[in-house]
Amino acid sequence: GESVGLHLPTLSVQEGDNSIINCAYSNSASDYFIWYKQESGKGPQFIIDIRSNMDKRQGQRVTVLLNKTVKHLSLQIAATQPGDSAVYFCAETPRYNFNKFYFGSGTKLNVKP
Amino acid sequence: DSGVTQTPKHLITATGQRVTLRCSPRSGDLSVYWYQQSLDQGLQFLIQYYNGEERAKGNILERFSAQQFPDLHSELNLSSLELGDSALYFCASSVDGGSGNEQFFGPGTRLTVL
Repeated sequence: GESVGLHLPTLSVQEGDNSIINCAYSNSASDYFIWYKQESGKGPQFIIDIRSNMDKRQGQRVTVLLNKTVKHLSLQIAATQPGDSAVYFCAETPRYNFNKFYFGSGTKLNVKP
Repeated sequence: DSGVTQTPKHLITATGQRVTLRCSPRSGDLSVYWYQQSLDQGLQFLIQYYNGEERAKGNILERFSAQQFPDLHSELNLSSLELGDSALYFCASSVDGGSGNEQFFGPGTRLTVL
């Protein structure tokens, strides 16, 4: 099956610092990537997405970088806030079956005040 | 609030039993997805429906089945339950189920099998 994984299970950052959460994927046919945020007791929430024909996409305080050469995806959060504390998942879907989403196991982000 | 509702919020049952989880998608969304999230695990895609028809199948066990009704709500049926089926079950919906359509997740149903 697909393999989408995360380098670090837990990341602790100081409030105001930038956070970088990484994700590796194994399927070269991966076409569409999404980052989700999941707060305790809630369902995942869409943060930002990127297609395989792009290297970078920016949102509000978040940037996703895609390196297809090494099959690596990262989520950068600028000026991390306590409200950013959550588990972050990357997900990908292959172009041959864009209805199937494969999720990584998640990275827990702890923001220290 | 994503607009996706799931019931019940919690469910406790015994091994061998059968349960039904219910999901109502956001108004206007035609596609429904079901996911399983076990403790310390990522989300595992189970199955997707679009406008009443099964569109994609993931790692869904034969003991599990789902359907989407004409009013677009969906039910996930879990039978012959085992301890390992204890997990959070999420439903998500999107406009039309294609790539690039944001999925909106419900709050989940926590299933505990004793």
